[in-house]
This record gives sequence, C-alpha cells and structure tokens, in this order.
Amino acid sequence: AQKITQTQPGMFVQEKEAVTLDCTYDTSDPSYGLFWYKQPSSGEMIFLIYQGSYDQQNATEGRYSLNFQKARKSANLVISASQLGDSAMYFCAMRALLGDTGRRALTFGSGTRLQVQP
Amino acid sequence: GAVVSQHPSWVICKSGTSVKIECRSLDFQATTMFWYRQFPKQSLMLMATSNEGSKATYEQGVEKDKFLINHASLTLSTLTVTSAHPEDSSFYICSARPSREIYEQYFGPGTRLTVT
Repeated sequence: AQKITQTQPGMFVQEKEAVTLDCTYDTSDPSYGLFWYKQPSSGEMIFLIYQGSYDQQNATEGRYSLNFQKARKSANLVISASQLGDSAMYFCAMRALLGDTGRRALTFGSGTRLQVQP
Repeated sequence: GAVVSQHPSWVICKSGTSVKIECRSLDFQATTMFWYRQFPKQSLMLMATSNEGSKATYEQGVEKDKFLINHASLTLSTLTVTSAHPEDSSFYICSARPSREIYEQYFGPGTRLTVT
C-alpha cells in the first residue's frame, strides 16, 4: 500500500528565510509521481511542483524546489525567500498504484501548516 | 491554465435532505474526475474516481448509495449526498485530469457542506 508521511504539523519561518517541509513516502509502484500543494485558508488546492520517479534532476518552480532523494524515499519541499503570503497549509501527495486495484490515484499526507513571520 | 469550478461553494441543508454538488472543467475535457473529502484540519481523502460514461469507482469505506456520483459529460461530474446527516458535514473538493496529461490534476475551489 502507498503511504505519505509529513511529520511536521506546523512550522514557523522568518520572512525572507528559506524553509524545508519534510515528506517521506512508500510505494511498491516503480512509476510514481510526487506533488506538493498549497492550501490557503480559502480552501483551494494550489499546485506547486511535481517530481516523477524517473526524473534525474530535482524539480524547481520559481521559489519552490523539491529535494528528491529516491533511495531515502523522501521528497522535501524547499521554499526560498519566504513571503508572508506563503503562510498556508502544505500537502505532499503521491500518485501511485493503489494496492492491487490496478488504479493510480493521489494520496495525500497529513499536511504542514507554515506560518511566515514578519 | 486549466480551471475547475464547483457549485455551490457552500451549502447548508437540513438533516434528511439531499444535496447535489457540481464539478466542471471550464477550459478542458476531463475523462477522469476525482472527489475528495476533507474534515477540518485534516488531509484530503479520496472518495471516488469517476470516468466519463461509466460507473464511479469508490474507495473502501465510502458508501456508494449515499454518495452518488455521475460523470455524464467530459466537463461535468456531480456528487449527490443523499439523506444527509450532520456527520456528512465536510469540505468536498473535486479535481479533474485532462485526457492528454499523464499526471496533472486540477482542483476545484471546494464546497463546504453543513448539515443541521
């Protein structure tokens, strides 16, 4: 079975500093994808970054980068130069085979609430 | 970018009534749509996957007769909560995957359901 773990319920960071949000995963599917989403208080899910299991290089999208360590099964999100608007809930998610169903779907971690302090 | 809408954005209903939530992909065709449920301060839990023109696939523990899903066209999926009870109160989020994409899913803004 696939599993996503986010061990940090909450994180604080000073404005303009960098912050790393942890995510570990487990799956037997060799072809999987890892996602990070931001959910502000409004509730919408905002896609941030994607990493495929076969991608050789770490994904980057502007101030977001994904530190993909395949052997350790970790996919940490790094936000550089934090801004006040970055305060939100952040979810790590994985798209992989669901058990023996033959289907692939997104499974979400429990989330990390990030608060950026001025 | 790809846009997914949900209607209504929030709804309050009385216990025992049914509520329909619509999910539309506005600028792309979605062969697959997903319905998630999110309780306060918790993660998103996949309820079901719907493919256009076929029956939805429900995740373990989700009652098919209570949460009716219809995916009648490539741009519209509906979730009907039948005989709603207070414990059905939650945030329901849909997402849609374009047929041409291999991984990307676009999320709707969510619908907050409160059953009194």
